Amino acid sequence: TQLLEQSPQFLSIQEGENLTVYCNSSSVFSSLQWYRQEPGEGPVLLVTVVTGGEVKKLKRLTFQFGDARKDSSLHITAAQPGDTGLYLCAGYPGGGGSNYKLTFGKGTLLTVNP
Amino acid sequence: DAGVIQSPRHEVTEMGQEVTLRCKPISGHNSLFWYRQTMMRGLELLIYFNNNVPIDDSGMPEDRFSAKMPNASFSTLKIQPSEPRDSAVYFCASSFHIGGGTEAFFGQGTRLTVV
Repeated sequence: TQLLEQSPQFLSIQEGENLTVYCNSSSVFSSLQWYRQEPGEGPVLLVTVVTGGEVKKLKRLTFQFGDARKDSSLHITAAQPGDTGLYLCAGYPGGGGSNYKLTFGKGTLLTVNP
Repeated sequence: DAGVIQSPRHEVTEMGQEVTLRCKPISGHNSLFWYRQTMMRGLELLIYFNNNVPIDDSGMPEDRFSAKMPNASFSTLKIQPSEPRDSAVYFCASSFHIGGGTEAFFGQGTRLTVV
């Protein structure tokens, strides 16, 4: 089983602050994804990173995939209350083949206070 | 498209009863996942299917759990007999898997409470 460790588990900040959350593993992933989940809903995909060292930006969110494809980070600039939610990283295993097993970390619960 | 549809949204049952959760994936998708989410364990993958065939059920906690996908548009997750520790939110997700990085689309989940 390929485990994804996310940190911190909980994060409470004020509006306008910057933050970074992390997703780490000892295993190699063919790709990593970040999802956001709101209460009472299922997770929704934010981004997919595929290439080691890849950086993607989505408005105020910046995602990075580690060079060795074992870790990823999510940075939010000038957080807003609307960013509040559970941020989950998920990965498809590396090694090629047809393994479609998508596993998730436990998530970082972010609260942005006005 | 209506997205992934799960039913029921909420289920309260007594210990020992059989529980059946249902999922209709997005039309055209070829992979289907069942997950269980709790505060303690996060989002756990129970089983996933590709082209209606179970590929990996290593996450199914016990023999009390079983899942079927009789056709491309329907899947069930059954717990028999149910126990209080099975209380969780159960999610179904589907994707059209053509390679790495495929997006998984989730239903709204079924909140199961076993008393």
